[in-house]
This record gives sequence, structure tokens and C-alpha cells, in this order.
Amino acid sequence: DIQMTQSPSALSASVGDRVIITCRASQSISGSLAWYQQRAGKAPKLLMYSASGLQRGVPSRFSGSGSGTEFTLTINNLQPEDFATYYCQQYAAHPPWTFGQGTKVEIK
Amino acid sequence: QMQLQESGPGLVKPSETLSLTCTVSGGSFSSYYWSWIRQSPEKGLEWIGYIFHSGVTRSNPSFESRVTISVDTSKSQFSLKLTSLTASDTAVYYCARAGGFRPAFDIWGQGTRVSVSS
Repeated sequence: DIQMTQSPSALSASVGDRVIITCRASQSISGSLAWYQQRAGKAPKLLMYSASGLQRGVPSRFSGSGSGTEFTLTINNLQPEDFATYYCQQYAAHPPWTFGQGTKVEIK
Repeated sequence: QMQLQESGPGLVKPSETLSLTCTVSGGSFSSYYWSWIRQSPEKGLEWIGYIFHSGVTRSNPSFESRVTISVDTSKSQFSLKLTSLTASDTAVYYCARAGGFRPAFDIWGQGTRVSVSS
């Protein structure tokens, strides 16, 4: 299985901040990576695909980069609705498709 | 706008079989991976398996042979059966759609909470 490791596990930030979340894969996944946002009590929502592709309807303050084994999700100008938990997921190889353990973005 | 909705029991006894159904509305089954994913505090998000529109299924080896996924296109539904339940199968279960070319999960159901307890 390809292991996905996110860092940090949690962070505190203020409205207007820039937030960077890192995801590392245990082996190369090329650009086959997605990012999701999950608000409390809700299903995950797709933000990014193919490491840097912005899903339709997602604000442009979200961006993604990386390839191979190292990826980042950047949130510029953090908004109140962005306080949530973020997950990465690889779809390069299966079974199984695998998720990171999540990064919780909390209000400072 | 396609929507997915899970249905099934909220409580199941240990050693029994969980049966969940996902009803798809607002679109067709063609060219997508129809997946089941679960989430628990202990294991996080865990992909269980999928059925492709062609009927091909794959499942997570960690579930060994406990998983069966089927589709009923006439009802626009796909289903999950998970056998030999234990308390560790307690989780929120989601159905989700992934694209055939780029299989990120772009549409999710709201999730259904399943508890395994006697």
C-alpha cells in the first residue's frame, strides 16, 4: 500500500493568513493526488485533483503543487469557512486508494 | 446536479452482515468508479472498494474477502455488503463517485453512521 503522511496534524491560524499543508507519499505517485476539505459533520469535498487542478467552484485562494512524493496545499487569505480538516488522497495505484491522516486547521 | 444518498441500518450486531445502498440521482452510471469509503476516529478515511460502470469490482485487501459491491442500474443504485462485523467496523460510511480517467472523489453522499454492537 502507498502510505500518505500529512504534516502538520493540526495548526492554528488567523483569518487572512496563508496556510501550507504538506502531504508525502511513501513512493512516487506522479501527480495522482487529490485534496479534500471536510467540515465538521459533513462529507469531504474535493478541492484539488491531479495535484494542482482546482475543482470547479472552489475559490482560487486554494492552490496545490508537487509531484512524485512531495505535495503541498496552500490556502491564501484564510477565510472563516476554511477552518476545517484537510485530507490528501493518492489515486496512482490501487487497491487500495489511500488517504492521509488529515490536518485540522483551527482558529488562533 | 448528481446526488448520492446512502441508506441502511444504523445498528448491526457483531458477526452479522452490513448491507448499505447508495441511490444515485441526477445522472448516469457511465464511466465512473462508484466507491464506498468509511471514516472512523481510529482509522481515518478508508477506501473500501468500488464497482466500475462495466461491473468490474475491486476492494481494499485489508477487508480480506468480507466485501461485496454490486450495482442495479435499473434502480440507479449500488450496494455494499460487509460480512463478519466487529466493533472496529463502527464508522460513518460514505458512497462516492470518482471519474474513470482521473479517479478523485468528486461527489459524496452525506454519509450514514453505522454502529456495531450487541
